[in-house]
Amino acid sequence: QKEVEQNSGPLSVPEGAIASLNCTYSDRGSQSFFWYRQYSGKSPELIMSIYSNGDKEDGRFTAQLNKASQYVSLLIRDSQPSDSATYLCAVLHGSSNTGKLIFGQGTTLQVKP
Amino acid sequence: KAGVTQTPRYLIKTRGQQVTLSCSPISGHRSVSWYQQTPGQGLQFLFEYFSETQRNKGNFPGRFSGRQFSNSRSEMNVSTLELGDSALYLCASSPGPNPYNEQFFGPGTRLTVL
Repeated sequence: QKEVEQNSGPLSVPEGAIASLNCTYSDRGSQSFFWYRQYSGKSPELIMSIYSNGDKEDGRFTAQLNKASQYVSLLIRDSQPSDSATYLCAVLHGSSNTGKLIFGQGTTLQVKP
Repeated sequence: KAGVTQTPRYLIKTRGQQVTLSCSPISGHRSVSWYQQTPGQGLQFLFEYFSETQRNKGNFPGRFSGRQFSNSRSEMNVSTLELGDSALYLCASSPGPNPYNEQFFGPGTRLTVL
């Protein structure tokens, strides 16, 4: 079992729809979770972090965390073609200062005009 | 403010050689992390430095090493290169001491091992 699992996709949604990206993790002790966006040929950029169970909203993005189910998700409302990218889920193993970040393989999102 | 810079951007080496990659963090950032990205394995954590101290290391062989200087610049070294070391090597910086809650990636160094 991989430590952080994501469906590789591609996930295709029409413009204006809600895109739902999911991630599961194996380390029950993990406390910090991150979503990165990586455009083709570019470096990852951090878009959301979440540490507590529940939802966290930032503009069109909502991160959801359920530690009991070891599940993290990212919702993108009103999806735009510019949202087309690979979304990487990352989970921190260990403490916030000295742990290591474990990434999933990423889900490719395609938003069609 | 200038972003994270990495040099060189591209490298071609042959098996058995060694290579040194350099990373200059954003001004004022004290934490530098290194990652390897390949199509097969994805993005994998190599190591993280804060104030010249390596605080964590990923599951890579001892051929992979790094260091951080007093100005927070960092280098990573790979000795006895293997074909499988061909990858994009990314460094990321953050203000620290928490290295991950505000992490910015550099453009990467593309290493090809022939």
